[in-house]
Amino acid sequence: DAGITQSPRHKVTETGTPVTLRCHQTENHRYMYWYRQDPGHGLRLIHYSYGVKDTDKGEVSDGYSVSRSKTEDFLLTLESATSSQTSVYFCAIREGQMDTDTQYFGPGTRLTVL
Amino acid sequence: GQNIDQPTEMTATEGAIVQINCTYQTSGFNGLFWYQQHAGEAPTFLSYNVLDGLEEKGRFSSFLSRSKGYSYLLLKELQMKDSASYLCAVMDSNYQLIWGAGTKLIIKP
Repeated sequence: DAGITQSPRHKVTETGTPVTLRCHQTENHRYMYWYRQDPGHGLRLIHYSYGVKDTDKGEVSDGYSVSRSKTEDFLLTLESATSSQTSVYFCAIREGQMDTDTQYFGPGTRLTVL
Repeated sequence: GQNIDQPTEMTATEGAIVQINCTYQTSGFNGLFWYQQHAGEAPTFLSYNVLDGLEEKGRFSSFLSRSKGYSYLLLKELQMKDSASYLCAVMDSNYQLIWGAGTKLIIKP
């Protein structure tokens, strides 16, 4: 157990509304990631963070922003949600100092945009 | 482009052996990961290969051939609880994970 929680676990929202998902970790890991998972696709990286206030874009970052003001929290914001952002969102941490160290995942947030 | 291919679905019998294949074409290679994901749950780490050959971990083994861009996950003595999706992911030259769409494994009694 990598001590990762995500909130909320489920959310239904309407098109055009802002949404923020939270990832919280308790073990002081430096690297944190946000992925989305959709049927027929592999996990796709949205954004990642390599330290407080240090973030970078992933493969599918359009329409998403992130913030990391504390080591333990990594927030994902959908500025104006669209139906194409209906998905399951997973947060992950990288355990260890090596770039090839394993990523461990939080329980996920199921987001539905109507 | 970068590509990871896995079969979409496989069926096997309880107690048997199954091999799940993964082929990849990526910009660089820094290792290959296998994860298990039960329906409605998060992926959980199974194995990591960076050198050619077979890594054994209990009932699960993972094989890598870098020259062929190929890996497989071997599950022995299948149990009903092994019914899950199995995700193959390659770490590319930027140390980002590129994920396959996953193989749904159905175990029948």
